[in-house]
Amino acid sequence: DGGITQSPKYLFRKEGQNVTLSCEQNLNHDAMYWYRQDPGQGLRLIYYSQIVNDFQKGDIAEGYSVSREKKESFPLTVTSAQKNPTAFYLCASSRADDGNYGYTFGSGTRLTVV
Amino acid sequence: DAKTTQPPSMDCAEGRAANLPCNHSTISGNEYVYWYRQIHSQGPQYIIHGLKNNETNEMASLIITEDRKSSTLILPHATLRDTAVYYCIVRVAGRDDKIIFGKGTRLHILP
Repeated sequence: DGGITQSPKYLFRKEGQNVTLSCEQNLNHDAMYWYRQDPGQGLRLIYYSQIVNDFQKGDIAEGYSVSREKKESFPLTVTSAQKNPTAFYLCASSRADDGNYGYTFGSGTRLTVV
Repeated sequence: DAKTTQPPSMDCAEGRAANLPCNHSTISGNEYVYWYRQIHSQGPQYIIHGLKNNETNEMASLIITEDRKSSTLILPHATLRDTAVYYCIVRVAGRDDKIIFGKGTRLHILP
């Protein structure tokens, strides 16, 4: 079955370490997105990509980096510059530039920095 | 900022219809209204979407006003498993295609 896979489901890191969250999709979607969710809050957009080798900053990109070297993959690196990285991270994908097509979300990665 | 406004929470008795309102007064003519829901610590789940006409699927119905400035999601027979946060969002298609989420409505189904 097609879908989005985020790994790992839970991730623990020490403060000051960079960490990379994986997001892979086999839906042949051009567009991919990363969101952050804090307890009791909605989703906030970190980065998004409409096509391979291109990506744009969302509302809260500071302290994060991404790459889009392959259509299927959109990894997110949480750098040491991110002041409060503990959160629930969600990846999504969709067809690009098609308003009549929904987004598919992964099951998320819960990152805890100690 | 999100282009939608929703009440922060609602209650509904089990077995009754749950009607969740959403205001999107600045929506443009080619923008679709989408509804997703999120059960605790899971990824958002697609429910339904529409442009102008009312829509129905196996999960819910979507009623969009004629001026498209608001909509209502209807869960016809709510169950305890429908307890979740429901997000109404407007998809901005085009080069800068992205979804901006609001805070959603937390729906409590009462036994």
